[in-house]
Amino acid sequence: GAVVSQHPSRVICKSGTSVKIECRSLDFQATTMFWYRQFPKQSLMLMATSNEGSKATYEQGVEKDKFLINHASLTLSTLTVTSAHPEDSSFYICSATPGTGRTDTQYFGPGTRLTVL
Amino acid sequence: AQSVAQPEDQVNVAEGNPLTVKCTYSVSGNPYLFWYVQYPNRGLQFLLKYITGDNLVKGSYGFEAEFNKSQTSFHLKKPSALVSDSALYFCAVRAPVAYSGAGSYQLTFGKGTKLSVIP
Repeated sequence: GAVVSQHPSRVICKSGTSVKIECRSLDFQATTMFWYRQFPKQSLMLMATSNEGSKATYEQGVEKDKFLINHASLTLSTLTVTSAHPEDSSFYICSATPGTGRTDTQYFGPGTRLTVL
Repeated sequence: AQSVAQPEDQVNVAEGNPLTVKCTYSVSGNPYLFWYVQYPNRGLQFLLKYITGDNLVKGSYGFEAEFNKSQTSFHLKKPSALVSDSALYFCAVRAPVAYSGAGSYQLTFGKGTKLSVIP
């Protein structure tokens, strides 16, 4: 149980294009989903927290107009990197929690490797 | 603000020997503590968590961790290491129950410790 999927696993795009990454909880309803960014050999940096049906909460320094997050259902959240640039190249990981209590574990997706040329 | 420290960038251990990956934390109140493992180009896999109760927590793949409040530590341990345990390990802390503001569910991660188990 508690499986989270991400699609695509890898994406290469040209500078200036937009890329959408999907995060799905496969066997539970995720009230809350998180989006992280991980640079090589570094820890995960939280980008934003999204609750189903409401606007995402972005961490300081994360451009909400560049990283659009939609959490339209209890099993799906999407991250759209708009007008991507090479510096946006990174490993993006989502996580989801059932949200029934604050002791809940976050379950992580396998990550999406974004390369912007 | 809460923080997590993993003092070792890398830990090397021989297969069959016990392993320890260290983690200390800083948070006001009683923390929620987690260990995750990451294999190359993969997301994080949950290993175990401490919420309350017994200080010794047992998790997946034979791993366990001991919560030590006086030392503010949550070291990950395994009695006998396997080559397949080689991976990147992250310790994480979540705000205690007394904190109910924005970001209540957020995890703060340590920088990670690379574990290499040598055959």
